[in-house]
Amino acid sequence: GAGVSQTPSNKVTEKGKYVELRCDPISGHTALYWYRQSLGQGPEFLIYFQGTGAADDSGLPNDRFFAVRPEGSVSTLKIQRTERGDSAVYLCASSLKIKETQYFGPGTRLLVL
Amino acid sequence: AQKVTQAQTEISVVEKEDVTLDCVYETRDTTYYLFWYKQPPSGELVFLIRRNSFDEQNEISGRYSWNFQKSTSSFNFTITASQVVDSAVYFCALSGVGAGSYQLTFGKGTKLSVIP
Repeated sequence: GAGVSQTPSNKVTEKGKYVELRCDPISGHTALYWYRQSLGQGPEFLIYFQGTGAADDSGLPNDRFFAVRPEGSVSTLKIQRTERGDSAVYLCASSLKIKETQYFGPGTRLLVL
Repeated sequence: AQKVTQAQTEISVVEKEDVTLDCVYETRDTTYYLFWYKQPPSGELVFLIRRNSFDEQNEISGRYSWNFQKSTSSFNFTITASQVVDSAVYFCALSGVGAGSYQLTFGKGTKLSVIP
Protein backbone atom coordinates (compact mmCIF):
# COMPACT_ATOMS: atom_id res chain seq x y z
CA GLY A 1 0.00 0.00 0.00
CA ALA A 2 0.97 3.64 -0.23
CA GLY A 3 3.27 5.01 2.40
CA VAL A 4 3.38 8.45 3.99
CA SER A 5 3.68 11.15 1.36
CA GLN A 6 4.90 14.70 1.80
CA THR A 7 4.76 17.69 -0.50
CA PRO A 8 6.64 19.55 -1.68
CA SER A 9 9.83 17.49 -1.61
CA ASN A 10 11.87 20.69 -1.70
CA LYS A 11 10.96 24.25 -0.82
CA VAL A 12 13.13 27.32 -1.20
CA THR A 13 11.84 30.54 0.30
CA GLU A 14 13.08 33.91 1.42
CA LYS A 15 13.48 35.05 4.98
CA GLY A 16 10.22 36.44 6.31
CA LYS A 17 7.95 34.48 3.99
CA TYR A 18 5.18 32.06 4.98
CA VAL A 19 5.35 28.36 4.04
CA GLU A 20 3.05 25.37 4.27
CA LEU A 21 4.25 21.77 4.26
CA ARG A 22 1.79 18.97 3.66
CA CYS A 23 1.68 15.41 4.96
CA ASP A 24 -0.58 12.62 3.78
CA PRO A 25 -0.45 9.70 6.23
CA ILE A 26 -0.89 6.01 5.54
CA SER A 27 -4.59 5.32 5.02
CA GLY A 28 -6.30 4.37 8.25
CA HIS A 29 -3.55 5.69 10.52
CA THR A 30 -5.05 7.80 13.28
CA ALA A 31 -1.85 9.23 14.77
CA LEU A 32 0.36 11.68 12.89
CA TYR A 33 3.69 13.20 13.95
CA TRP A 34 5.94 15.99 12.72
CA TYR A 35 9.70 16.01 13.27
CA ARG A 36 12.50 18.30 12.14
CA GLN A 37 15.94 17.06 11.17
CA SER A 38 18.90 19.40 10.92
CA LEU A 39 22.04 18.41 9.06
CA GLY A 40 24.00 15.73 10.89
CA GLN A 41 21.41 15.36 13.64
CA GLY A 42 18.65 12.95 14.52
CA PRO A 43 15.03 13.99 13.99
CA GLU A 44 13.54 16.14 16.73
CA PHE A 45 9.88 16.00 17.69
CA LEU A 46 7.62 18.95 16.92
CA ILE A 47 3.98 17.93 17.36
CA TYR A 48 1.66 14.99 17.14
CA PHE A 49 -2.03 14.51 16.45
CA GLN A 50 -4.47 11.91 17.63
CA GLY A 51 -7.30 12.27 15.15
CA THR A 52 -7.98 15.95 14.51
CA GLY A 53 -6.60 17.37 17.73
CA ALA A 54 -3.01 18.24 18.57
CA ALA A 55 -2.30 15.89 21.46
CA ASP A 56 1.16 17.28 22.19
CA ASP A 57 2.73 20.37 20.61
CA SER A 58 5.51 20.74 23.16
CA GLY A 59 8.21 20.41 20.49
CA LEU A 60 7.18 23.44 18.43
CA PRO A 61 10.09 25.88 18.78
CA ASN A 62 7.99 29.06 18.94
CA ASP A 63 4.66 30.57 17.95
CA ARG A 64 5.73 30.98 14.32
CA PHE A 65 5.09 27.26 13.92
CA PHE A 66 1.59 25.85 13.75
CA ALA A 67 0.06 22.63 12.47
CA VAL A 68 -3.45 21.48 11.66
CA ARG A 69 -5.21 18.26 10.79
CA PRO A 70 -8.81 19.35 10.22
CA GLU A 71 -10.31 16.08 9.02
CA GLY A 72 -8.09 13.66 10.86
CA SER A 73 -6.10 12.66 7.80
CA VAL A 74 -3.91 15.16 5.91
CA SER A 75 -1.89 17.55 8.04
CA THR A 76 -0.29 20.89 7.21
CA LEU A 77 2.67 22.37 9.05
CA LYS A 78 2.67 26.14 8.76
CA ILE A 79 5.67 28.38 9.39
CA GLN A 80 5.24 32.14 9.54
CA ARG A 81 7.97 34.76 9.08
CA THR A 82 10.54 32.12 8.19
CA GLU A 83 14.10 32.51 9.44
CA ARG A 84 17.34 31.04 8.09
CA GLY A 85 17.49 28.82 11.17
CA ASP A 86 14.28 27.11 10.06
CA SER A 87 16.19 25.46 7.20
CA ALA A 88 15.99 21.71 7.77
CA VAL A 89 14.25 18.56 6.59
CA TYR A 90 10.72 18.33 7.96
CA LEU A 91 9.62 14.75 8.44
CA CYS A 92 6.12 13.43 8.89
CA ALA A 93 5.26 10.02 10.35
CA SER A 94 2.05 8.16 11.00
CA SER A 95 1.04 5.18 13.10
CA LEU A 96 -2.07 3.05 13.20
CA LYS A 97 -2.77 4.18 16.74
CA ILE A 98 -0.88 6.01 19.42
CA LYS A 99 1.95 3.82 20.82
CA GLU A 100 2.21 1.86 17.56
CA THR A 101 5.25 1.95 15.28
CA GLN A 102 5.73 5.20 13.39
CA TYR A 103 6.36 5.08 9.64
CA PHE A 104 8.04 8.04 8.03
CA GLY A 105 7.57 9.93 4.81
CA PRO A 106 10.41 11.13 2.55
CA GLY A 107 10.47 14.58 4.12
CA THR A 108 10.35 18.15 2.84
CA ARG A 109 13.70 19.89 2.55
CA LEU A 110 13.17 23.55 3.45
CA LEU A 111 15.79 26.15 2.61
CA VAL A 112 15.32 29.70 3.84
CA LEU A 113 17.54 32.19 2.03
CA ALA B 1 13.67 13.38 30.31
CA GLN B 2 14.65 10.79 27.74
CA LYS B 3 18.01 10.63 26.02
CA VAL B 4 19.60 8.38 23.42
CA THR B 5 23.35 8.30 22.85
CA GLN B 6 25.03 6.84 19.81
CA ALA B 7 28.70 7.37 20.52
CA GLN B 8 29.91 6.21 17.12
CA THR B 9 29.54 9.05 14.65
CA GLU B 10 30.96 7.20 11.64
CA ILE B 11 32.06 3.65 11.00
CA SER B 12 33.71 2.20 7.90
CA VAL B 13 33.96 -1.52 7.25
CA VAL B 14 34.96 -3.66 4.33
CA GLU B 15 32.21 -5.69 2.71
CA LYS B 16 31.50 -9.02 4.45
CA GLU B 17 32.80 -7.80 7.79
CA ASP B 18 30.50 -7.80 10.81
CA VAL B 19 29.74 -4.46 12.45
CA THR B 20 28.01 -3.46 15.69
CA LEU B 21 26.32 -0.12 16.21
CA ASP B 22 26.03 0.98 19.82
CA CYS B 23 23.05 2.61 21.48
CA VAL B 24 22.72 3.69 25.11
CA TYR B 25 19.55 5.26 26.46
CA GLU B 26 18.26 7.07 29.52
CA THR B 27 14.66 7.15 30.71
CA ARG B 28 12.76 7.34 33.98
CA ASP B 29 9.91 5.27 32.55
CA THR B 30 9.61 1.66 33.63
CA THR B 31 7.89 0.75 30.38
CA TYR B 32 9.20 2.04 27.08
CA TYR B 33 9.93 1.09 23.50
CA LEU B 34 13.26 1.02 21.68
CA PHE B 35 13.66 1.33 17.93
CA TRP B 36 16.19 1.25 15.14
CA TYR B 37 15.65 3.13 11.88
CA LYS B 38 17.80 3.20 8.74
CA GLN B 39 18.23 6.38 6.68
CA PRO B 40 19.82 5.60 3.30
CA PRO B 41 21.21 8.38 1.10
CA SER B 42 17.73 8.88 -0.37
CA GLY B 43 16.74 10.33 3.01
CA GLU B 44 13.66 8.34 3.98
CA LEU B 45 13.70 6.79 7.44
CA VAL B 46 13.06 3.06 7.23
CA PHE B 47 11.78 1.21 10.28
CA LEU B 48 13.87 -1.83 11.28
CA ILE B 49 12.74 -3.00 14.72
CA ARG B 50 10.74 -2.14 17.83
CA ARG B 51 11.33 -3.73 21.23
CA ASN B 52 9.26 -3.47 24.40
CA SER B 53 11.25 -2.88 27.57
CA PHE B 54 9.79 -6.03 29.10
CA ASP B 55 11.17 -8.19 26.32
CA GLU B 56 14.91 -8.63 26.70
CA GLN B 57 15.20 -11.50 24.28
CA ASN B 58 17.71 -10.89 21.55
CA GLU B 59 16.29 -10.85 18.06
CA ILE B 60 17.67 -11.97 14.73
CA SER B 61 16.29 -11.09 11.33
CA GLY B 62 18.43 -12.35 8.49
CA ARG B 63 21.81 -10.60 8.72
CA TYR B 64 20.53 -8.23 11.41
CA SER B 65 20.53 -8.91 15.13
CA TRP B 66 19.76 -6.82 18.18
CA ASN B 67 21.08 -7.14 21.72
CA PHE B 68 18.92 -5.50 24.39
CA GLN B 69 20.45 -5.29 27.86
CA LYS B 70 18.34 -3.47 30.41
CA SER B 71 21.06 -3.68 33.05
CA THR B 72 23.34 -1.48 30.96
CA SER B 73 20.55 0.49 29.20
CA SER B 74 21.87 -0.59 25.84
CA PHE B 75 20.24 -1.71 22.62
CA ASN B 76 22.99 -2.59 20.18
CA PHE B 77 22.56 -3.52 16.53
CA THR B 78 24.81 -5.96 14.66
CA ILE B 79 24.99 -6.47 10.92
CA THR B 80 26.61 -9.73 9.92
CA ALA B 81 28.45 -10.05 6.61
CA SER B 82 27.87 -6.42 5.72
CA GLN B 83 26.98 -5.41 2.17
CA VAL B 84 27.35 -2.15 0.26
CA VAL B 85 23.56 -1.70 0.43
CA ASP B 86 23.86 -1.46 4.21
CA SER B 87 25.60 1.91 3.82
CA ALA B 88 23.33 4.43 5.54
CA VAL B 89 22.84 6.42 8.70
CA TYR B 90 21.32 4.34 11.47
CA PHE B 91 19.28 5.87 14.25
CA CYS B 92 18.38 4.41 17.61
CA ALA B 93 15.23 5.86 19.20
CA LEU B 94 13.16 5.63 22.37
CA SER B 95 9.52 6.33 23.22
CA GLY B 96 7.37 6.03 26.31
CA VAL B 97 3.93 4.54 26.71
CA GLY B 98 2.25 7.25 28.74
CA ALA B 99 0.43 10.36 27.56
CA GLY B 100 2.92 12.99 26.48
CA SER B 101 5.68 10.48 25.77
CA TYR B 102 4.62 8.81 22.55
CA GLN B 103 7.03 10.84 20.45
CA LEU B 104 10.35 9.32 19.44
CA THR B 105 13.57 10.60 20.98
CA PHE B 106 16.40 9.90 18.54
CA GLY B 107 20.13 9.61 18.91
CA LYS B 108 22.39 11.57 16.57
CA GLY B 109 22.88 8.57 14.34
CA THR B 110 25.81 6.47 13.19
CA LYS B 111 26.91 6.74 9.59
CA LEU B 112 27.93 3.32 8.28
CA SER B 113 30.01 3.06 5.13
CA VAL B 114 30.53 -0.40 3.68
CA ILE B 115 33.44 -0.44 1.26
CA PRO B 116 33.40 -2.99 -1.56
